[in-house]
Amino acid sequence: QSVLTQPPSVSGAPGQRVTISCTGSSSNIGAGYDVQWYQQLPGTAPKLLIYGNINRPSGVPDRFSGSKSGTSASLAITGLQAEDEADYYCQSYDISLTVFYVFGTGTKVTVL
Amino acid sequence: QVQLQESGPGLVKPSETLSLTCSVSGASISGHYWSWIRQPPGKGLEWIGYVYYTGGTDYNPSLKSRVSISVGTSKIQYSLRLSSVTAADTAVYYCARVDRSGWVHDYWGQGILVTVSS
Repeated sequence: QSVLTQPPSVSGAPGQRVTISCTGSSSNIGAGYDVQWYQQLPGTAPKLLIYGNINRPSGVPDRFSGSKSGTSASLAITGLQAEDEADYYCQSYDISLTVFYVFGTGTKVTVL
Repeated sequence: QVQLQESGPGLVKPSETLSLTCSVSGASISGHYWSWIRQPPGKGLEWIGYVYYTGGTDYNPSLKSRVSISVGTSKIQYSLRLSSVTAADTAVYYCARVDRSGWVHDYWGQGILVTVSS
């Protein structure tokens, strides 16, 4: 049972904008800990997509953007493309669990 | 380019010890933490623990009594040992590097499926 909750699935047509929420609490995101986002394409390892709430590693398209407010964070994908169909996970730290890295429940993005 | 590669048995019997190795190339193991993360089939990601290049470790409290992570003497590998395994430990196991901020897993191995079954 993860302490970071994400919607199981979101979908959108090509070109549309979709957002994925990551809801935490005062012991993780709300305590000021940064949020990372990872993209997992089918059958592959997770790949870092967003770090430090809003930053994109080199090579990640600017269609992907992150934000954080209060006890939640969000990942937005604008101009949705077929290649964006994947599972997405948020990740932070939880002081109450003393687990350095807690992952969200994961969200499957489907491109219609 | 940093590359990580997991290796080890794909099948382990219940109650035995799971042992995996992660080989690191393209970068020095120095100055970083190195994690193990697992993903049961069809489920989400779980951090198992990490080792610092000097040998210091920290583990997920839920697995701490059964886990040991260590750096190889060659300093280009690190290993995972998980004892007393059950079917619940069946998962894809990933090794991953933690960047210098300490918060971000920036490079991942391709993963290795380990099945616990008699």
